[in-house]
Amino acid sequence: EAGVAQSPRYKIIEKRQSVAFWCNPISGHATLYWYQQILGQGPKLLIQFQNNGVVDDSQLPKDRFSAERLKGVDSTLKIQPAKLEDSAVYLCASSLDWAETVYNEQFFGPGTRLTVL
Amino acid sequence: AQTVTQSQPEMSVQEAETVTLSCTYDTSESDYYLFWYKQPPSRQMILVIRQEAYKQQNATENRFSVNFQKAAKSFSLKISDSQLGDAAMYFCAFKAAGNKLTFGGGTRVLVKP
Repeated sequence: EAGVAQSPRYKIIEKRQSVAFWCNPISGHATLYWYQQILGQGPKLLIQFQNNGVVDDSQLPKDRFSAERLKGVDSTLKIQPAKLEDSAVYLCASSLDWAETVYNEQFFGPGTRLTVL
Repeated sequence: AQTVTQSQPEMSVQEAETVTLSCTYDTSESDYYLFWYKQPPSRQMILVIRQEAYKQQNATENRFSVNFQKAAKSFSLKISDSQLGDAAMYFCAFKAAGNKLTFGGGTRVLVKP
């Protein structure tokens, strides 16, 4: 079974430029997550999708970050314009489903390392 | 809001020895899950072990075991018979409602041959 795919693996941009990351979840997984992991910290959830609807985007900086999952499969996370503090690893994860009390394991992709100069 | 704290930035262990990583959390929830994830230099997060809060028995997966103290809100990971491949960042994580994971700051494990 193929895992979560992400591209690119690395990206270097200058501040105020825009950048986009792509994620393809495990086939059949309805729930998709984007995490931001700043160097030396644990991942922080940015946004969670259930199919093509948003479940939680409370920690997404909406003035510069946007994400979509139009067909309920793959997803794109965009930053426009980028700031120095956006330098981080962006991890995508997927799970079969999500529920209030039932455990659904999240499977992570390899991440995209973003450097903003 | 839930918080997860890992107080050890780095731990060093001799190959074949045992190391214990600490994690504490804060929550008002009664029903939740706790996890330990491993993140090698490849950056991919790998689930090591999970514990359901309603289970009193501590989870075990081969060389990995946990000590879950619900009243103290403590969740430590013990790695026995450490191997060179165990060297990585280890993150403690908490899940309550909605499948959202809250991670601690991580502990780097170094394994000396």
